[in-house]
Amino acid sequence: EVQLVESGGGLVKPGGSLRLSCAASGFTFNNAWMRWVRQAPGKGLEWVGRIKSKTDGGTTDYAAPVRGRFTISRDDSKNTLYLQMNSLKTEDTALYYCTTDDAGGPGYWGQGTLVTV
Amino acid sequence: DVVMTQSPLSLPVTLGQPASISCRSSQSLVYSDGNTYLSWFQQRPGQSPRRLIYKVSNRDSGVPDRFSGSGSGTDFTLKISRVEAEDVGVYYCMQGTHWWTFGQGTKVEIK
Repeated sequence: EVQLVESGGGLVKPGGSLRLSCAASGFTFNNAWMRWVRQAPGKGLEWVGRIKSKTDGGTTDYAAPVRGRFTISRDDSKNTLYLQMNSLKTEDTALYYCTTDDAGGPGYWGQGTLVTV
Repeated sequence: DVVMTQSPLSLPVTLGQPASISCRSSQSLVYSDGNTYLSWFQQRPGQSPRRLIYKVSNRDSGVPDRFSGSGSGTDFTLKISRVEAEDVGVYYCMQGTHWWTFGQGTKVEIK
């Protein structure tokens, strides 16, 4: 069974930093492309960024609102995905989901971790 | 950026009756490989989103066959043949042809 468990959310002041983690299990993590998607309270879904598998280059892409402030990384030895968030703004307040990324988009989702700025 | 526009934004439905949600994109979602990367997601109250449909009309594993997707180019539709109580929630379309963009969401509720 695929499981994605996010952690690391919390309350942070504007301008501060936070690192989110996503522990993955139930699939071959090192072959997977992964994404972060966020949802502001009572609002819709917005993708944050993506990281390819290392075999596909391990490159990252980011949505415009977070580019230059957020960094996605992965530790395949720990089956863990990360989101480093710097220079946080009040508009970054959201529930952050870790998702797998396949041809159909986000196939599996975690339960999310709440970030409040 | 590709804009995804859903309608209606609120959909009161009667149990056992059909329901339909429209999703329009600001440009064609046909990718250079010939595929159309349009997906549908369901988000029940208090839960994470769940993918129902990918590449326009392919149902994900475990999704009831009362859910179906159709469309092409810029116009797409999610249909529920007979609404059940567990179908209450917000439904999002998402395009993956030009990066990712989600629609605003359609709230389905029981009359």
